[in-house]
Amino acid sequence: EAQVTQNPRYLITVTGKKLTVTCSQNMNHEYMSWYRQDPGLGLRQIYYSMNVEVTDKGDVPEGYKVSRKEKRNFPLILESPSPNQTSLYFCASSLVGDRGDSSYGYTFGSGTRLTVV
Amino acid sequence: SQKIEQNSEALNIQEGKTATLTCNYTNYSPAYLQWYRQDPGRGPVFLLLIRENEKEKRKERLKVTFDTTLKQSLFHITASQPADSATYLCALLTGGFKTIFGAGTRLFVKA
Repeated sequence: EAQVTQNPRYLITVTGKKLTVTCSQNMNHEYMSWYRQDPGLGLRQIYYSMNVEVTDKGDVPEGYKVSRKEKRNFPLILESPSPNQTSLYFCASSLVGDRGDSSYGYTFGSGTRLTVV
Repeated sequence: SQKIEQNSEALNIQEGKTATLTCNYTNYSPAYLQWYRQDPGRGPVFLLLIRENEKEKRKERLKVTFDTTLKQSLFHITASQPADSATYLCALLTGGFKTIFGAGTRLFVKA
């Protein structure tokens, strides 16, 4: 089944304890991205990657890191989590269009609910 | 500043009626616009994409319009069913991979 898999689904951690949220897709998509979703604010883009070893900042990258060493995986790293990073996180992937753009719909994972206390 | 606005209030309609959801934007020149459905606790699911040079797109009971002069997209669900109850998100793609999402409109369809 074509899908984006995130782990874990739920995570409670303490301030300052490094964590990684994994994301893997089995559709051979070039593009992958991380979003956070907060009530009333919608989905906000954290980082995205257009291919292996190519990453760029979205609208809210502060406090996050990513890497794209393999095409299928795009982990999100919080080096020193803080309570304001408590949120629902989504990973998404997509094919790259003929014009080198994101003209296809995104496939989203099921989400990771992170609580930082 | 750049903004996308969707009706923040929930939309309540009767089964069988047409639901119309609005997405307005300012200070963007989007290359295309997407609509997604999101159920509670789940990831968004892609529904439709419409390009800047297209006025209307249809898929089964769904119809999307895109007016770049008014800076508005309308999303219609005809013959609505209780199973259509969800939050619907619009997303602007301004070229490349920059994607801006609206906060979504919650739709309730009563039987």
